[in-house]
Amino acid sequence: AQKITQTQPGMFVQEKEAVTLDCTYDTSDQSYGLFWYKQPSSGEMIFLIYQGSYDEQNATEGRYSLNFQKARKSANLVISASQLGDSAMYFCAMREAWGGFQKLVFGTGTRLLVSP
Amino acid sequence: GAVVSQHPSRVICKSGTSVKIECRSLDFQATTMFWYRQFPKQSLMLMATSNEGSKATYEQGVEKDKFLINHASLTLSTLTVTSAHPEDSSFYICSAPGGAGNTIYFGEGSWLTVV
Repeated sequence: AQKITQTQPGMFVQEKEAVTLDCTYDTSDQSYGLFWYKQPSSGEMIFLIYQGSYDEQNATEGRYSLNFQKARKSANLVISASQLGDSAMYFCAMREAWGGFQKLVFGTGTRLLVSP
Repeated sequence: GAVVSQHPSRVICKSGTSVKIECRSLDFQATTMFWYRQFPKQSLMLMATSNEGSKATYEQGVEKDKFLINHASLTLSTLTVTSAHPEDSSFYICSAPGGAGNTIYFGEGSWLTVV
């Protein structure tokens, strides 16, 4: 079974500062994928960044980067230069490869609040 | 623009009635779609996997007779909450794998309130 753990229920950061959201995972699969999604109060799931288990480089997408430490089974999201619009729930998720299709298992989420 | 469209975005229904939520893939075919449920301040929990042309696969603990899933075409999956009760009030969201790589598209989600 696969499991995603997000230990920070809430995080606070000041505008323009960087913040790291933690995510650890547990899997016996060799091939897997890790995702980060942002969920504002509207409910939509906004894709932020993806890291494949075989990717040697840490993924980056604009202000988002993923600190992937495979041996420690962690995939932390780093948001640089936080903005007020970054306030939202953030979910880490792992792809389960089931019959070739992609089912996601989500962590419990971290609520990020960015203050002026 | 959205590549997976979900409708309705909000719905209120009376206890005992049924309500249908649609999930459509736009511009691509989705032989598989996933339905998730999210209670307030909680994570997304997978309810079932919708398979075009065959029966849905339900996760453990999800009542298949209560949450009817139909994947009638390569672009449409529907979730019907039958005999809805107030405890069924929740946020329901669908997803579909895209054609390439590890792309997974989510619908906008549907807020269901049963009164």
